Amino acid sequence: GAVVSQHPSRVICKSGTSVKIECRSLDFQATTMFWYRQFPKQSLMLMATSNEGSKATYEQGVEKDKFLINHASLTLSTLTVTSAHPEDSSFYICSAKDTYNSPLHFGNGTRLTVT
Amino acid sequence: GQQLNQSPQSMFIQEGEDVSMNCTSSSIFNTWLWYKQEPGEGPVLLIALYKAGELTSNGRLTAQFGITRKDSFLNISASIPSDVGIYFCAGLGMNYGGSQGNLIFGKGTKLSVKP
Repeated sequence: GAVVSQHPSRVICKSGTSVKIECRSLDFQATTMFWYRQFPKQSLMLMATSNEGSKATYEQGVEKDKFLINHASLTLSTLTVTSAHPEDSSFYICSAKDTYNSPLHFGNGTRLTVT
Repeated sequence: GQQLNQSPQSMFIQEGEDVSMNCTSSSIFNTWLWYKQEPGEGPVLLIALYKAGELTSNGRLTAQFGITRKDSFLNISASIPSDVGIYFCAGLGMNYGGSQGNLIFGKGTKLSVKP
C-alpha cells in the first residue's frame, strides 16, 4: 500500500532557530500533500495544502511566512518552521494520496519541541 | 462550516468486549474514513467508505456509511489490548475542489482496553 515517510520523528530546537520537516511519498507520486498540526488530546488541524510546482495554500490563521512549504518534486514536500518559538511546539503530520480517489495516507508525524 | 460530532469521547472496556463508536454531522459527506492513532505516531487508515449504505469490514473492524450520508459508525468486535488508541472519523465534504484539504476530522474516541 501507499507509504508516506516523515522525517525527523522528533526534533528539539532552541527558540529563534528554524526547523525543516520532510514528507516523502515512497512508492507513489503525490501532486498534492497536506500538512496538519495536532495539539495534545485534540484532533488534526489542516495547516496548508502543498502543491507540486506551485505555491502552497494556507488555511485561515496560519502564517505563511512562519510555516514555509516547498513541494519541489512529486515525492517530497517540506515544512520549515521559521524562527521557532515555544508555542510552535506541537505534533506535525503530513499526508498524501496516491490516486485521485484514494484516501489520505499519513506520515508518522514529527514531534517538535522548542525550548 | 462542516463539523463532525464523534462519540463517545472515551471508552474503557474489558478485553473481549465489542466496541461501537460513531460520527454524525448536519452536513452531507461523500466519503467517510476511519483512522487509528497511537501515541507519537500519525493516523493509520483503517477503513474507507465511498457510498451511502456501504458496509465494510477489515478483520474485527466493521464500518458503515450512513444512508443519509450524514453519519458513520465503527464497530470493533472481541477487543484486544492492542486495540488501544485514539480512533478518528474523517469526512470528505461536498466542496471537494479536486483536493482533500477539506477532510474534516472528528475529535476522536480514546479507547482503553483492560486485559
